[in-house]
Amino acid sequence: KAGVTQTPRYLIKTRGQQVTLSCSPISGHRSVSWYQQTPGQGLQFLFEYFSETQRNKGNFPGRFSGRQFSNSRSEMNVSTLELGDSALYLCASSLSTSGRPYYEQYFGPGTRLTVT
Amino acid sequence: KNQVEQSPQSLIILEGKNCTLQCNYTVSPFSNLRWYKQDTGRGPVSLTIMTFSENTKSNGRYTATLDADTKQSSLHITASQLSDSASYICVVSGGSGTYKYIFGTGTRLKVLA
Repeated sequence: KAGVTQTPRYLIKTRGQQVTLSCSPISGHRSVSWYQQTPGQGLQFLFEYFSETQRNKGNFPGRFSGRQFSNSRSEMNVSTLELGDSALYLCASSLSTSGRPYYEQYFGPGTRLTVT
Repeated sequence: KNQVEQSPQSLIILEGKNCTLQCNYTVSPFSNLRWYKQDTGRGPVSLTIMTFSENTKSNGRYTATLDADTKQSSLHITASQLSDSASYICVVSGGSGTYKYIFGTGTRLKVLA
């Protein structure tokens, strides 16, 4: 079974631009979560989608948004990029069903975003 | 404030030795605690998941313990191998609302031959 895939793997953008990252979950997984990882802050939870609905959201500004499609693929968008947005963006999928508090997450390799 | 603190920040050990990593949390209410291993340049891989009622869980040479009363967890690595060199991240799920994830900053382990 194929793992979680993320595209692109590397991206360089300029301040003020916007960017869209893509995540394809493991087949059959309906939950997709996004995380930001930086050397200073470590891993931080951005949001989780389940069945095309945002189920949870972390403490990030509104410039960070996401969506999930009917095939469970998800995209994350960052508008008006800032230098501090440079990070590894990780996507994770799981078999989580609504209301279940305990489930395994499988991470993709991440997209390395550099903002100059 | 919901926090997860890990210690030590970094650790160097010789191949074949054992080591223990610590995780203390103040997350409430508590749902579950996970340990992840993250190799450089790759996404984290789950090692163990423990709920409130579980005290110990093993995954090969990795054994995690949880004391929900003191809000402490540890990850013990037995007979370390060079491939154990990685960052180990403790994640607690809980806090206000459902399924919030609070991450520790990780312990960077280096195993030397």
